[in-house]
Amino acid sequence: DTAVSQTPKYLVTQMGNDKSIKCEQNLGHDTMYWYKQDSKKFLKIMFSYNNKELIINETVPNRFSPKSPDKAHLNLHINSLELGDSAVYFCASSQDDFYTGELFFGEGSRLTVL
Amino acid sequence: DAKTTQPNSMESNEEEPVHLPCNHSTISGTDYIHWYRQLPSQGPEYVIHGLTSNVNNRMASLAIAEDRKSSTLILHRATLRDAAVYYCILRAMNTGNQFYFGTGTSLTVIP
Repeated sequence: DTAVSQTPKYLVTQMGNDKSIKCEQNLGHDTMYWYKQDSKKFLKIMFSYNNKELIINETVPNRFSPKSPDKAHLNLHINSLELGDSAVYFCASSQDDFYTGELFFGEGSRLTVL
Repeated sequence: DAKTTQPNSMESNEEEPVHLPCNHSTISGTDYIHWYRQLPSQGPEYVIHGLTSNVNNRMASLAIAEDRKSSTLILHRATLRDAAVYYCILRAMNTGNQFYFGTGTSLTVIP
């Protein structure tokens, strides 16, 4: 079983559209994250949720809205897509936000905005 | 945010040890040192972490300088499957325990 799974793996869309990326973890972790990896391969944290509550919101445009229906899911909704949103988006989870162990990452969702 | 400095790229011959350096001169007393790697077209994966003492696990060893201002990830015998980008990360305890990735070191393993 995949520990952290994201769908879709690839997403191609036009500017101005709204799209969502879903993430699920079956590890029983309390904390989930969204990271963005741009074309220069730089990984930047976007959001962090602990037990369905937002604990980190980096300087991300408010077109990006994370939603956590339960602690096993953290979905990312993006409104009015722009060319600069093209990137690979990674979901991750960890046992809790004070744990010094590992982050578990999904395989990524490659978003291409045309 | 990243507060770590790594060489952009390194090469190693297959079956030889690899020492990947990382400088973190502004590390605080409560920052843990984490290493992750990202294989091509995959998400990052955990390699190892430590605070003050050297650490060993099945994947690698982590050597931490006595002043903690630098560390070295050691792959004892590089294989082709170890070709990846290796990230050295400080777990920033005073910013909500979030992971901030730097640019990493791209390791090429030569057969």
